[in-house]
Amino acid sequence: GAGVSQTPSNKVTEKGKYVELRCDPISGHTALYWYRQSLGQGPEFLIYFQGTGAADDSGLPNDRFFAVRPEGSVSTLKIQRTERGDSAVYLCASSPHPAGGAFFGQGTRLTVV
Amino acid sequence: KQEVTQIPAALSVPEGENLVLNCSFTDSAIYNLQWFRQDPGKGLTSLLLIQSSQREQTSGRLNASLDKSSGRSTLYIAASQPGDSATYLCAGHGSSNTGKLIFGQGTTLQVKP
Repeated sequence: GAGVSQTPSNKVTEKGKYVELRCDPISGHTALYWYRQSLGQGPEFLIYFQGTGAADDSGLPNDRFFAVRPEGSVSTLKIQRTERGDSAVYLCASSPHPAGGAFFGQGTRLTVV
Repeated sequence: KQEVTQIPAALSVPEGENLVLNCSFTDSAIYNLQWFRQDPGKGLTSLLLIQSSQREQTSGRLNASLDKSSGRSTLYIAASQPGDSATYLCAGHGSSNTGKLIFGQGTTLQVKP
């Protein structure tokens, strides 16, 4: 596609539920990143994929968070047993190569009630 | 640990003014640097990318510079317009083979007609 696409744009879930957030990167971009942004803050790094593998997952806050990119294109961020503190905007970005300039999607606003 | 500071946190100027936004890094070992714009409730739009071998980039009324020796970057906006009102974020890559961008908290700009 022309840009990075994220679905859904908004997600409201109950505490304790499981959610999946999807990212469809720019075609041909090998690098894909997930960030989380809380109100009034800059985005915080979660995980970086180069191809199918997670090259750096040091930003994942705990083992409730997991991400996959099985075919090196679309990625899914999975959050188990959601907590109210997980509420934030989850941003996905892609890049033609590492440190090559990131292009961001519009984000998924997750609200845990 | 790399930290990014953006000054000022908020700025309000009359239309037509030239202005400078500042970004500084605790670790001057920055590989490249990217400036983004974020409108309320939206994702990030890339404005300028300063590659590792460059010291500045220009696009229209925007000019960004990077001084690696001091760990500082500036974004200059000429002849500001109300449509420039947004939050501006700077972010840096620490090396050529990492996808991790470290963001500042942003400067929220309001340009008054």
